[in-house]
Order: sequence, then C-alpha cells, then structure tokens
Amino acid sequence: GDSVTQMEGPVTLSEEACLTINCTYTATGYPSLFWYVQYPGEGLQLLLKATKADDKGSNKGFEATYRKETTSFHLEKGSVQVSDSAVYFCALTKYNFNKFYFGSGTKLNVKP
Amino acid sequence: DVKVTQSSRYLVKRTGEKVFLECVQDMDHENMFWYRQDPGLGLRLIYFSYDVKMKEKGDIPEGYSVSREKKERFSLILESASTNQTSMYLCASSLQGITSPLHFGNGTRLTVT
Repeated sequence: GDSVTQMEGPVTLSEEACLTINCTYTATGYPSLFWYVQYPGEGLQLLLKATKADDKGSNKGFEATYRKETTSFHLEKGSVQVSDSAVYFCALTKYNFNKFYFGSGTKLNVKP
Repeated sequence: DVKVTQSSRYLVKRTGEKVFLECVQDMDHENMFWYRQDPGLGLRLIYFSYDVKMKEKGDIPEGYSVSREKKERFSLILESASTNQTSMYLCASSLQGITSPLHFGNGTRLTVT
C-alpha cells in the first residue's frame, strides 16, 4: 500500500548548520507530496508542497524536490535557526478526497 | 488564512463517559478529518468526511463515531471513553483535489482516567 518513510530523529544541529531530513515514499500513480511542521503545543502547519515530478517546493528557506525516479522528497535548509526546532512530517496524498499518508515525524533540535 | 478551531485544548474524562470533540473551520472546505497523534505512532486517521452527512472510516475507527450536520463543523464522538483513547486529537480540513493541503487545528489533548 501507499506509505511514507522518513528518517528517525531526533536530529540535533548547531545554529547555521545545514539540514537534510530524508523522506521516501511508496505509491502508485502520481501523488502530491508535502512537508508539514509541528511546533511544540500546536497542530501541524503546511511548510511546502510539490504536486508533480521535478517540482521544487520552498518556503522560509526550506526546500524539497519531488524526485520520481528515486521516490524521494528530502527536506533541506542551508542554515538552520533555533526557531526551526520542531517536528517535521513528510506526507503524500493521491486521491481527490485527500486521504493523506504521513511519515512518523522527525524531531529537529537546533542549539545556539 | 484558514482557521480550524478545536473547542478544547485539554480535556480530562473518566472511563465510560461519552466524549464530544468539536471542530469548526471557516473556509468552506469540503473535506474534514480527525486524526490522533501518539508518540512513536505518528498521525493515524480516524474518520473523514467529504460532504455534509457523509463519512468514511479511516485506519482506526473502532471506538469512535463522527457527525457532520453542517459543512463547517465535524464532531468526533467517543461513545464510551477508555484509557487507551488518551491521546492528542487533531482536526483538519481541506478543499477537494489532490493538490490541496490539509489545514490543522491546534489539537485537543484528551486524558481518560
């Protein structure tokens, strides 16, 4: 069945370090791919999305490219800040009724 | 901005009680969803609805029911709460179409004692 696998955390980085959180998916057809972020005590917020192969989503310095050949959608940021500390979820959907499949989440800790 | 409002941030209920979790969205979205979030298990879909009075089971519907009498409101009902239903419950909404993202509320942390 359809699924999303993302790297386990926690990931701990120093401020200004580079970030990559790996995400791979299994799905037939042409899913849309998303990254969500969850700050402590809050719900999930959309960070970025890509809806077809080779699309790059970007927002707040984060970016991810939809790679159909490797079924991947890795999240990257060139220089992280303490305020980026959160849990990041990769997700896909491919049905009109928007049944989403989420990865298990990766916790990012950024130290000053 | 889309706003999804969950009626309670924290709720404490006793085993066997009937529990209602309410969710309201203000952007005329067709789809609404209830997830629960547990450490190590990620987000799991309980129920979703793609229209008024329509509902579909998600991955873990046992012990839950839902109600959608109006487009903007989606209620999750625990008919007889049990301790294994202690969790964070997240409501979300979206437009139709696979490119439409989910918009989440801030969650309700339910504790069943």
